[in-house]
Amino acid sequence: DAGVTQSPTHLIKTRGQQVTLRCSPKSGHDTVSWYQQALGQGPQFIFQYYEEEERQRGNFPDRFSGHQFPNYSSELNVNALLLGDSALYLCASSPAPSTDTQYFGPGTRLTVL
Amino acid sequence: QQQVKQSPQSLIVQKGGISIINCAYENTAFDYFPWYQQFPGKGPALLIAIRPDVSEKKEGRFTISFNKSAKQFSLHIMDSQPGDSATYFCAASRGGYSTLTFGKGTMLLVSP
Repeated sequence: DAGVTQSPTHLIKTRGQQVTLRCSPKSGHDTVSWYQQALGQGPQFIFQYYEEEERQRGNFPDRFSGHQFPNYSSELNVNALLLGDSALYLCASSPAPSTDTQYFGPGTRLTVL
Repeated sequence: QQQVKQSPQSLIVQKGGISIINCAYENTAFDYFPWYQQFPGKGPALLIAIRPDVSEKKEGRFTISFNKSAKQFSLHIMDSQPGDSATYFCAASRGGYSTLTFGKGTMLLVSP
């Protein structure tokens, strides 16, 4: 049973560029949440997708957007990259939006130069 | 505003000793309190979790103690092993929303 998978593993971009990160949830899970983890910090909630809709959003600017597909996989898009966007981006899945237990993927390490 | 405060920032424990990590929360609407373990280059992995209706939960060498009135909870790792060396995060969520608010993490080193 495959867990949460994310791609790519690492990514290097320059300021002002746009990036798309991808996530496939654990089998049987229909809810995907995205978190940003800066170096030496705990993960911070970006947003959550359920039934292809953004269900909840954390304190992140509109430069951060997402999408969920009918197969429950999800994308995180970041526009106009800033140096401060350098972080580990984590995807977590759960079997329902009201389920507390979340399973995390290995993350995508984004470096903005 | 940091809703979940975690301490200490780092911890060194000898093999066989007890590791204790503490967290305090502010939002009384939180009703689910998990602990995650993260190794370098990996995503966080759920270790153990508790709800406010119990004061303690034990799974193997890992125990959560919960004090609702003080709005505090802690992780105890008994018989700590070098393989336990990792960063530990406490977190909290509100019922029905399943979005986690994390502490800043504790880097644990268990010396052989």
